[in-house]
Amino acid sequence: QVQLVESGGGVVQPGRSLRLSCAASGFTFSNYAVHWVRQAPGKGLEWVTVISYDGSSKYYADSVKGRFTISRDNSKITLYLQMNSLKPEDTAVYYCVRDFRAHAMDGAFDIWGQGTMVTVSS
Amino acid sequence: DIQMTQSPSTLSASVGDRVTITCRASQSITSWLAWYQQKPGKAPKLLIYKASSLEGGVPSRFSGSGSGTEFTLTISSLQPDDFAIYYCQQYNSYPWTFGQGTKVEIK
Repeated sequence: QVQLVESGGGVVQPGRSLRLSCAASGFTFSNYAVHWVRQAPGKGLEWVTVISYDGSSKYYADSVKGRFTISRDNSKITLYLQMNSLKPEDTAVYYCVRDFRAHAMDGAFDIWGQGTMVTVSS
Repeated sequence: DIQMTQSPSTLSASVGDRVTITCRASQSITSWLAWYQQKPGKAPKLLIYKASSLEGGVPSRFSGSGSGTEFTLTISSLQPDDFAIYYCQQYNSYPWTFGQGTKVEIK
């Protein structure tokens, strides 16, 4: 079935780095833009970043710009999020999310992973 | 950035009730609005896209309406499985933004 599975979360000290991965299955990954959306404990949803289906376009929320980098390897059917200079306010569940339409970057999210928890704490 | 404001923040209702949640955008987003349902410990689930289009597999008791800056999500007859948090989200322009959520709880 159509699925996204995140991995790589954990506990990290402020200022350190972490890389998240998201493995896709059940659909043609290279046809879809993919996003990261996060949710701090007990809080609402925050869009973080997106990469186009071919990797040519990337956008970031101001809160992570310059610290986070999104990338994808379509041959490995995997999405990545490199998170540097982590702050306590980056603590959240990070969801890998598929964009609604193929070959577009609409920003509506139809397939969500189960999420991976990132905790930034000393 | 476009701000999305939902009301109410919490809604107490009984099984069988008709429930309406409102979402307002700080500027026009035409019809580029989605609604999601999230249950505890789970990822959100897309219910409605383009303000009023029902995602496949979503029960027909869910409906969406509105355009411009004001939108509503209606559940025509609340079922036990519907107690959850509901989020609206605009995708008219980057950065895509969500409302703060509406918790639908058992009365």
